[in-house]
Order: sequence, then C-alpha cells, then structure tokens
Amino acid sequence: AQSVTQLGSHVSVSEGALVLLRCNYSSSVPPYLFWYVQYPNQGLQLLLKYTSAATLVKGINGFEAEFKKSETSFHLTKPSAHMSDAAEYFCALLTGGSNYKLTFGKGTLLTVNP
Amino acid sequence: NAGVTQTPKFQVLKTGQSMTLQCAQDMNHNSMYWYRQDPGMGLRLIYYSASEGTTDKGEVPNGYNVSRLNKREFSLRLESAAPSQTSVYFCATNRDRGSYEQYFGPGTRLTVT
Repeated sequence: AQSVTQLGSHVSVSEGALVLLRCNYSSSVPPYLFWYVQYPNQGLQLLLKYTSAATLVKGINGFEAEFKKSETSFHLTKPSAHMSDAAEYFCALLTGGSNYKLTFGKGTLLTVNP
Repeated sequence: NAGVTQTPKFQVLKTGQSMTLQCAQDMNHNSMYWYRQDPGMGLRLIYYSASEGTTDKGEVPNGYNVSRLNKREFSLRLESAAPSQTSVYFCATNRDRGSYEQYFGPGTRLTVT
C-alpha cells in the first residue's frame, strides 16, 4: 500500500536555526512526492515537488528537499528559519495513477521562536 | 483569475440538517477533489472527479454525495449532517497533464452541533 509518514507532529526551532521536517514514504512504483504549506486559516500551497528528475529539489521561500530512494525519504529543509515560516507542512505522495490523487501525511506544525 | 473558490466560508448546522458546499474553478482543469481536514489526521480524500460527468469515491466517502455539474463546478452535499462531519473542507483541482500539482481553495469550516 502507498503511504506517507511524517515524523513529528510539532517541530519548534529558533529564528535563524536549521529547519528539518521529516517525511518517509511507501510506494510500489516510482514515487512522485510533494511538500505543501498551510498558513493559518488558509488553503494549501505547493512548496516543491519531486517528479523523478533531480533528487535535490528547490522550492519557494528558501526550502528544499532531497529524495533518497535507499531511505524512502523526502525530508524538507531550510538553512535559516524565519518567523514567517511558522505554518503546518504536509508531505504528499501521488497515487491513483491517471487520477492524480494525493495521499497526505498527517502534517507537521512548525513553530519559530524569536 | 480567482483560481479555486469555495462557498460558504463558515457554516454551522444542527444534526440532521442538509447542506451543499460549492466549489468553482476558472483554471480549466479537468480533475477536481474534495478533502476534509481534521486535527492530527492530515487531509483525507472524500470524492474526486477526473472529468465532467464522472465521480469516484475516495478514502472517506460515507455520508457525502457529490455532483460535477460542469467542468467548472464540483459540489459536495451532506444529506443528514452528523457531529463527526465537523471539519474543514477543501476543494482542489489538477491540470492532469505533466504537472501533478493540486491547487486548493480557501476552505469551508463546518461545525455540526
């Protein structure tokens, strides 16, 4: 079965510190993976996506993620956290073949402390 | 372009009442989706529509019905609301061709008392 696991429902960092949000996946086919961000009281917006090209993917707002097949991981990082990064982050896996369905992880709430 | 719009933004229902959540998109996308978001559960797919006139069940379809009225609109109906349907509902669309990205509406916050 295809699934996504996000390790840590809540991550707290200081402003300027490294952000690391963990995502592991299970897939029987080559995966397409996504990170979405949700700011309070808003919908989700795409941060970045991996679709079998470069394994290091750069996204918006200074975020990047590295696809590691051997570890079945797609962790999200940012070298220096900013207060505006405080949000909930969701990792997602494309499933459903031509129906383009997404399976989401349970989310990680990022808190940035001044 | 408005992108994906949802109405209403907020709604309070009593148990047993019915209502329809509306979603419209001006992106000319074929696929549309309805999700619910509950604390600690992520987003779960309720129904989706790969094209006008077709709909399919997702992970949590019980208690819901959908209609793909035309290419632009995809509505979600609760025939007899239950407190377990208290949630935030999101509509999303997908272009289908090579992008794989889903575009989300702002959500509808529904409370069933």
